[in-house]
Amino acid sequence: EDKVVQSPLSLVVHEGDTVTLNCSYEVTNFRSLLWYKQEKKAPTFLFMLTSSGIEKKSGRLSSILDKKELFSILNITATQTGDSAIYLCAVGPMEYGNKLVFGAGTILRVKS
Amino acid sequence: DVKVTQSSRYLVKRTGEKVFLECVQDMDHENMFWYRQDPGLGLRLIYFSYDVKMKEKGDIPEGYSVSREKKERFSLILESASTNQTSMYLCASFSDNEQFFGPGTRLTVL
Repeated sequence: EDKVVQSPLSLVVHEGDTVTLNCSYEVTNFRSLLWYKQEKKAPTFLFMLTSSGIEKKSGRLSSILDKKELFSILNITATQTGDSAIYLCAVGPMEYGNKLVFGAGTILRVKS
Repeated sequence: DVKVTQSSRYLVKRTGEKVFLECVQDMDHENMFWYRQDPGLGLRLIYFSYDVKMKEKGDIPEGYSVSREKKERFSLILESASTNQTSMYLCASFSDNEQFFGPGTRLTVL
C-alpha cells in the first residue's frame, strides 16, 4: 500500500526561525514528489521534485529529494507569520491517471 | 491561469439527503479528482476520472459516486448523506505534473 508520512504533525516557531519539514514515502514505481501550502483555502503548489539531490528554491523556501532514503525535506528560512499554514506532501506513483498519495500534513504556526 | 471552481463553498444537509457537488475546470484537462480532507488524515482520494465517462475508484469510494459527462465537469454524488461524510471536499484537475485545486466545499451533514 502506498504511504506518505509527514513529520512533525505540528510545529510552533517564532518569526525569524528556520524550520525543516519532513516527508517520507513508500510508493511503488515513484514518479514525483510534490509540496503544497494550504492556508484557509485550497492547497497551492510549491515544488515538484523528481530527481535526487537537486534543490528546488523559491525565495525563503527550498526543498530536496533523496530517492535512495525515500524522503524529502522542505526548509523555510527567516519564517514570517504569513508562512503559517498546513504543508502537504504528495507522491505520484507511476500509475495511469496521475493519482497522488497525500500525507496528513504538517501544521506550522509562526508567532510574531 | 487555470481555474477550478466548485459549486458551493459551504453546504449543510440532513442525513439521508442526496447531495451533488459540482466541479468545473476551464483548461481542458483530462484528469480530474475528488478528495476529502479531514484533520489528521490529510487528503484522501475518493474517485478520479481520466476521461469523459471514465472513472476510477480512489482510496475511499464507499458512499460516493461520480459523473463525468463533459470534460470540464466532474460531479461527486452522495446518494444518501451520513454524518460521517461531514468533511471538506476538494476537487482538482491535473496537467503537466501539477494538480490545481478548487476552493473546496465544506459539507456538514446533520
